[in-house]
Amino acid sequence: LAKTTQPPSMEAYEGQEVNVSCSHTNIATSEYIYWYRQVPHQGPQFIIQGYKDYVVNEVASLFISADRKLSTLSLPWVSLRDAAVYYCIVTDRGSALGRLHFGAGTQLIVIP
Amino acid sequence: ETAVFQTPNYHVTQVGNEVSFNCKQTLGHDTMYWYKQDSKKLLKIMFSYNNKQLIVNETVPRRFSPQSSDKAHLNLRIKSVEPEDSAVYLCASSYSQTGQLYFGEGSKLTVL
Repeated sequence: LAKTTQPPSMEAYEGQEVNVSCSHTNIATSEYIYWYRQVPHQGPQFIIQGYKDYVVNEVASLFISADRKLSTLSLPWVSLRDAAVYYCIVTDRGSALGRLHFGAGTQLIVIP
Repeated sequence: ETAVFQTPNYHVTQVGNEVSFNCKQTLGHDTMYWYKQDSKKLLKIMFSYNNKQLIVNETVPRRFSPQSSDKAHLNLRIKSVEPEDSAVYLCASSYSQTGQLYFGEGSKLTVL
C-alpha cells in the first residue's frame, strides 16, 4: 500500500478556499486516491475519490498531478463546520475489499 | 443521515470483564469493518467481513473476536478487557469493490 504524507495541521479563515495537499510518491497504477474527513465524536466521512486529473463534486474538488504523486483537496469557502481532520488514503480499490489504512491526517482549524 | 448504527455508544467497565459492541448497516453493503481509534486519534483496521466471511484479520489480540450473523450485522466481542483496549471502536460498511466506506458514530470503551 502506498504511503501518504500530509501536513499535520492548517489554519484558514471562514470564507477562504483551503487546499490540503497529500504526497503519495509510491502510488501504484492500480491504486486510487480517497479523501475522508472526521469531526469530533463522529466516524470518518467520505469526501471524494479520484484516479487522475481533476474530480469535482458538491463538497470539494480534487486535483491529481500528472504523475499521480501529489493530490490536492480543495474546499471552497470553508465554514466552521469544515473544521475536521482530513485524511488522504491511497488503495487498490479491487483488492482487500476496500480496506483503507488511515494516516495521521491534516487537522484543519477554521478561524471565525 | 446515519445508516451504520452502533450500540452502545459508551461503555465503562473494569479490567477482565467481557464487552460486546453491535453494528448494523442498512445500506445493503456486502462488506463490513471494525476499526479502532486510540487516544492519539490514529485509526487502525481490525477486521473486515465480506458476505459474512472473514477477509481481513489484522494483528489484534486473541481476546478480540468478530461475529457476523448476516451481511448487515457485524459485532465485536472483547473477552477479558485490558486497559489498552480503551478506545473508540468504529464500525463501517461498503460495497466490496470500492474504497467508499460509511462509518458509524463509534463506541467508546473505557477500561478502568
